[in-house]
Amino acid sequence: DTAVSQTPKYLVTQMGNDKSIKCEQNLGHDTMYWYKQDSKKFLKIMFSYNNKELIINETVPNRFSPKSPDKAHLNLHINSLELGDSAVYFCASSQLSDNTEAFFGQGTRLTVV
Amino acid sequence: GENVEQHPSTLSVQEGDSAVIKCTYSDSASNYFPWYKQELGKGPQLIIDIRSNVGEKKDQRIAVTLNKTAKHFSLHITETQPEDSAVYFCAATPGNEKLTFGTGTRLTIIP
Repeated sequence: DTAVSQTPKYLVTQMGNDKSIKCEQNLGHDTMYWYKQDSKKFLKIMFSYNNKELIINETVPNRFSPKSPDKAHLNLHINSLELGDSAVYFCASSQLSDNTEAFFGQGTRLTVV
Repeated sequence: GENVEQHPSTLSVQEGDSAVIKCTYSDSASNYFPWYKQELGKGPQLIIDIRSNVGEKKDQRIAVTLNKTAKHFSLHITETQPEDSAVYFCAATPGNEKLTFGTGTRLTIIP
């Protein structure tokens, strides 16, 4: 019973392509997030959705677009991929109203060649 | 917004010794401070957390202390074991807002 699952785990693609990463949580949480982890292991938040509404949109290129069809899903679409987009992307969820921990998925390692 | 600093960035300790990782935060409104452990190839996992109404919390070999006045909090791991080797992140939030993470500490336990 995976709490936060994201697919795919690995993604290798060429520059200029468009790709998507999917995320689903079965914890009944009201908030979902996308984080980017670079090669130095820094965790930077990209987006956050609360009850399907965008509440956090950090300084991220417009090529990145999150989509939340329902509370349990938050997908990340990336257009015109660039070499600098190579990183590990983590989806997470939490019950923001309770101010409790965030649960993370296992990550998607994106490599742009 | 919140800013969290974490030290050291790398830490090596002999198996059986203690390890201490320290974090400072900037927003005095922050009231929730979780610690995450990230093993190779996995997502961060919560190992312990503390809220601003307590000064210390312990769970077996792991403890966290919080000094609200100085705005810093620390993770203490005693009797370290090889499986404690990982990257550790502190985080802080004022509540109903995003978690702000520290920059991580790579802990290596030397057998």
